Amino acid sequence: GQQLNQSPQSMFIQEGEDVSMNCTSSSIFNTWLWYKQDPGEGPVLLIALYKAGELTSNGRLTAQFGITRKDSFLNISASIPSDVGIYFCAGPIQGAQKLVFGQGTRLTINP
Amino acid sequence: EAGVAQSPRYKIIEKRQSVAFWCNPISGHATLYWYQQILGQGPKLLIQFQNNGVVDDSQLPKDRFSAERLKGVDSTLKIQPAKLEDSAVYLCASSAVPFSYEQYFGPGTRLTVT
Repeated sequence: GQQLNQSPQSMFIQEGEDVSMNCTSSSIFNTWLWYKQDPGEGPVLLIALYKAGELTSNGRLTAQFGITRKDSFLNISASIPSDVGIYFCAGPIQGAQKLVFGQGTRLTINP
Repeated sequence: EAGVAQSPRYKIIEKRQSVAFWCNPISGHATLYWYQQILGQGPKLLIQFQNNGVVDDSQLPKDRFSAERLKGVDSTLKIQPAKLEDSAVYLCASSAVPFSYEQYFGPGTRLTVT
């Protein structure tokens, strides 16, 4: 079935650093979504991408829809402590109206 | 606007016992989803309702899991009997538009089966 692989699985950075993470699949996706999950909470949608090559920003977050439609990237600039959490990519399964999620990238920030 | 409410937040049971989780979606949201999130993994859809009808339950282990949304508003997810591998966070989400990717998640119920 369609699976999403995220890397890295975890990141330990200093406050103020930029962050890059990605999500890849062996299948084509027509939509890419990025969610963030804080401890003890449910995921929150950060950015949605609908077109190959699309680059979309949400504050310090920027996400790109890969031109092959098999990958997506999320960048966070000038990280701050509240960026700590788990970042998930997700996409709709072809032929079904439901989402598949990656396994997440856990971000830890040292002040 | 109130978010998605779930209860209880935590539950510890022994294997073979039964457990039920409750979810109240955002007011007016017709679509409701139940996800299972095992530690270290992303959420996996168990069942999706549109109003009080089931849209997709292909990944729901129907021999032990059941869910209902009788009046098209709040929903209950039940496990009977529970197994050790059911230990996970159970997330409820809702969306205003059918099959929307913009889903609003509740805080989840953390289930531990011993």
